[in-house]
Amino acid sequence: DFQMTQSPSSLSASLGDRVTITCQASQDITIYLNWYQQKPGNPPRLLIYDASNLELGVPSRFSGSGSGTVFTFTISSLQPEDIATYYCLQYDVLPYSFGQGTKLDLK
Amino acid sequence: QITLRESGPTLVKPTQTLTVTCNFSGFSLDTGGVGVGWIRQPPGKAPEWLALIYWDDDKRLNPSLENRLSVSKDTSKNQVVLMMTNMDPVDTATYYCAHRSHVWGTYHYFDHWGQGVLVTVSS
Repeated sequence: DFQMTQSPSSLSASLGDRVTITCQASQDITIYLNWYQQKPGNPPRLLIYDASNLELGVPSRFSGSGSGTVFTFTISSLQPEDIATYYCLQYDVLPYSFGQGTKLDLK
Repeated sequence: QITLRESGPTLVKPTQTLTVTCNFSGFSLDTGGVGVGWIRQPPGKAPEWLALIYWDDDKRLNPSLENRLSVSKDTSKNQVVLMMTNMDPVDTATYYCAHRSHVWGTYHYFDHWGQGVLVTVSS
């Protein structure tokens, strides 16, 4: 069975910090991975598609990298408005699946 | 500008069938490569993909739920409908629809989402 593992599940960081989240797939999904940001009461917001492409209108402090089975999401300098939960989504293998989420808060 | 909006009951009883409608604008479901997906998210948990219907009426369903799920579209009304039978309290979640397209060789999966409808399953 396909597994998508996201880590860490929670993360505390200070403003200006570099933040990194990882998703690992149990099999090769090439580049078919999105990263989303979700704030309470709102749907997920697409930040990164195809592993490393920045969605239109998303600040450049957000970035994604990786291919195959290991993917990384980075916030280069944490801002107050980045406090949220982040999810990855793979759309190569059916059923499409989300990571378990990373809840980011301020230290 | 792409928008989607879900509508449906906020409370259903166990064993009942849930019907949620997604009304959308800013794209057409008879354009090649376009699809509408359904995703649900239980309170405090990660989202779970349920289904996807394509412009050509091809459908993909989550195998863990496919015996309970059906999805249909009405292109003339810009509408997609999700039905889930035999609802149980564990199906309590916010149900979202989301846009999918394939343009110039690039897939855009679930780039635009509706606000969702919170469905509670309780007697």
